[in-house]
Amino acid sequence: EAQVTQNPRYLITVTGKKLTVTCSQNMNHEYMSWYRQDPGLGLRQIYYSMNVEVTDKGDVPEGYKVSRKEKRNFPLILESPSPNQTSLYFCASSLIIGTGIREQYFGPGTRLTVT
Amino acid sequence: AQSVTQLDSQVPVFEEAPVELRCNYSSSVSVYLFWYVQYPNQGLQLLLKYLSGSTLVESINGFEAEFNKSQTSFHLRKPSVHISDTAEYFCAVTTNSGGSNYKLTFGKGTLLTVNP
Repeated sequence: EAQVTQNPRYLITVTGKKLTVTCSQNMNHEYMSWYRQDPGLGLRQIYYSMNVEVTDKGDVPEGYKVSRKEKRNFPLILESPSPNQTSLYFCASSLIIGTGIREQYFGPGTRLTVT
Repeated sequence: AQSVTQLDSQVPVFEEAPVELRCNYSSSVSVYLFWYVQYPNQGLQLLLKYLSGSTLVESINGFEAEFNKSQTSFHLRKPSVHISDTAEYFCAVTTNSGGSNYKLTFGKGTLLTVNP
C-alpha cells in the first residue's frame, strides 16, 4: 500500500530536549516536505527536499533541521524544542514532473507538546 | 510567490443543502490547484485537483470545483451535503514554473459543519 508513515504519532517532551520525528514514504517520490498545522493558521511549510541531499527552507524553518540521506526518509529534528513548537506536524511526499510538483500525499500527523 | 485566501473560516449548513467554499489565489505564473479535506482527528486527503484541461473537476463523493483564471478562483461546491461531509477543507496552490519555487501553499482552511 502506498503510504507516508510518521513516528511517533504523539509526543510530549520538555523544553530543550532534542527530538526527532521520522518520516518515510514508499512511493519513490523525489519531493518531501514538513508542515506544521496550528489553529487559524492552516498548514505552514517548514522545510522541503527535492531529492537526496537537496533541502531548502519553507516559510517557518526557525528551530528545525532536516536531512535527506535516503530517498524514502526525511526526518525532522528539533535540537532544542520550545513551547512555541507545540503543534501538529505533517510529512508529505510528491512526484516532481517537469517543472512542478504534483499532489502531495500526507502522513497521519505527529502531535507534539513541549512543556 | 503564490498565496491562497479562503474567504470563510467557518461555514455551517443544514444537511441536504448546497454549499460553496470559496478560494482565491494569487500567482504571476501558471498554477496547479488542489482541495484537501481533513476529517476530525485525521490527516489530509486529496479531494480534487486541477492541473490542466477542463476547468471543472469533480471528486468521487460529489464535490466539484471550477478553475476560473480571470477571477483567480477555485471554489468548491456540492449540491447536497451530508453529515459525513463535516470536516475542514483546505485549498492549495503550486506553480509549474520550476526554479526554486517548488512549494505548495495552503489557505487557512474552512471548517464545514453540516447540521441535521
